Amino acid sequence: AQKVTQAQTEISVVEKEDVTLDCVYETRDTTYYLFWYKQPPSGELVFLIRRNSFDEQNEISGRYSWNFQKSTSSFNFTITASQVVDSAVYFCALSDTGTASKLTFGTGTRLQVTL
Amino acid sequence: DSGVTQTPKHLITATGQRVTLRCSPRSGDLSVYWYQQSLDQGLQFLIQYYNGEERAKGNILERFSAQQFPDLHSELNLSSLELGDSALYFCASSAGTSRAMGGQFFGPGTRLTVL
Repeated sequence: AQKVTQAQTEISVVEKEDVTLDCVYETRDTTYYLFWYKQPPSGELVFLIRRNSFDEQNEISGRYSWNFQKSTSSFNFTITASQVVDSAVYFCALSDTGTASKLTFGTGTRLQVTL
Repeated sequence: DSGVTQTPKHLITATGQRVTLRCSPRSGDLSVYWYQQSLDQGLQFLIQYYNGEERAKGNILERFSAQQFPDLHSELNLSSLELGDSALYFCASSAGTSRAMGGQFFGPGTRLTVL
C-alpha cells in the first residue's frame, strides 16, 4: 500500500525566511508520481508540481524548489524568502502510473508566515 | 482557476437526507475523481470514473454512489446522510491516460454540512 508522511503538522516563520516542508513516501511501485498541492484559507487545492519517479533532478520555479531523493524516499519542498501569501496548508501526494492513478495524500503541513 | 467546476459551493442539510454534488471536468479531460476532506480522515480518495466507466474505488461508503455522464460531467450522490458525512468534497480531473499525464486538477470543492 502507498503511504505519504508529512511529519511537520505546523510551521511558523517570519516573512523573508526560507522554509522547507518535508515529505516521505512509501510505495512498492518502481514507477510513480509525486505531487505537491497548496490549500490556501479559501479552501481550494492548487496544483504546484508533479514529478516522475525516474526524474531525480531538482526543480526550481521562482521562489519554490523541490528536492527529490529516491534513496531516502523523500520529496521536500522549499519556499525561499517566504511571503504572507504563502500561508496555507501544503499537501504532498503520491500516485501510481496504473489506470487508476488515484492520489494518496499526506496529512498536510500548515505554514503560517507572519510579518 | 483550474477549469474544474463544482456545484453547489455549500450545502446544508439534515441527517437522513440525500444530496447530489455535481462536477464538470476540464475541457478534454476524460477522468474524474472524487475525494473527501474531513478533519479526522484527511483527504481521501472515494472513486474514479474514466470516460463514463468506473475505474477505481477507494474508501467510499455504500450509501454513496457516483456516475459519469456522456458529456463527462459527474455526480456524487450521498444518501442517508449522517453527521459524520460533513466534509469538503472535491472533484478532480485529469487527461486520464494510464500514466496520469499532467497531474490532477481540483475543483473548488463542495462544503457539505449535515445537521
